Amino acid sequence: AQSVTQLGSHVSVSEGALVLLRCNYSSSVPPYLFWYVQYPNQGLQLLLKYTTGATLVKGINGFEAEFKKSETSFHLTKPSAHMSDAAEYFCAVSVHTGGFKTIFGAGTRLFVKA
Amino acid sequence: GAVVSQHPSWVICKSGTSVKIECRSLDFQATTMFWYRQFPKQSLMLMATSNEGSKATYEQGVEKDKFLINHASLTLSTLTVTSAHPEDSSFYICSAKVSGPIYEQFFGPGTRLTVL
Repeated sequence: AQSVTQLGSHVSVSEGALVLLRCNYSSSVPPYLFWYVQYPNQGLQLLLKYTTGATLVKGINGFEAEFKKSETSFHLTKPSAHMSDAAEYFCAVSVHTGGFKTIFGAGTRLFVKA
Repeated sequence: GAVVSQHPSWVICKSGTSVKIECRSLDFQATTMFWYRQFPKQSLMLMATSNEGSKATYEQGVEKDKFLINHASLTLSTLTVTSAHPEDSSFYICSAKVSGPIYEQFFGPGTRLTVL
């Protein structure tokens, strides 16, 4: 079975500070990992994804994440937070075992202080 | 490219009525569409997976007779909430993916359902 754990339901950073959102997963098969961002009353926007290949993945808006198999982690980082980064972030794992399914983490709300 | 739309974006209905939500892939053919439900300040919960031309596969605990899903074409899936009650009030999000080993799905903007 697959699962996703996001550590910290709320993260608060100052504008210009490092953003680190933590995600750990479990999967019985090679996972495909995603980070999505959701703004209030909107759908999900893909930030970045890992499928195969390079374990450091760069996404939109300056975000990146590193797939660490030994740690079963896929943490999301951004060197310098902007006010516009304030949103809800979801880590997700997708697998294809007899059907395609995506499991989402509980989400982390990012607050950015001026 | 890869745009998914939902209609309506919000709907208010009376208890006991039925509501239909449409999910369309605008610029690609979606062999598989997914319906999620999201409660306030919570994550997305998969309700069902629908493949074009076949019956939807519902997740455990989701009433298939209450949440009717139809995927009649490669660009349209509908979710009908039958005999809606206040506890059905939620944010419903659809997503779509193309066939084959493509592991990315594209999300619609969501529909806010409020049942009075």
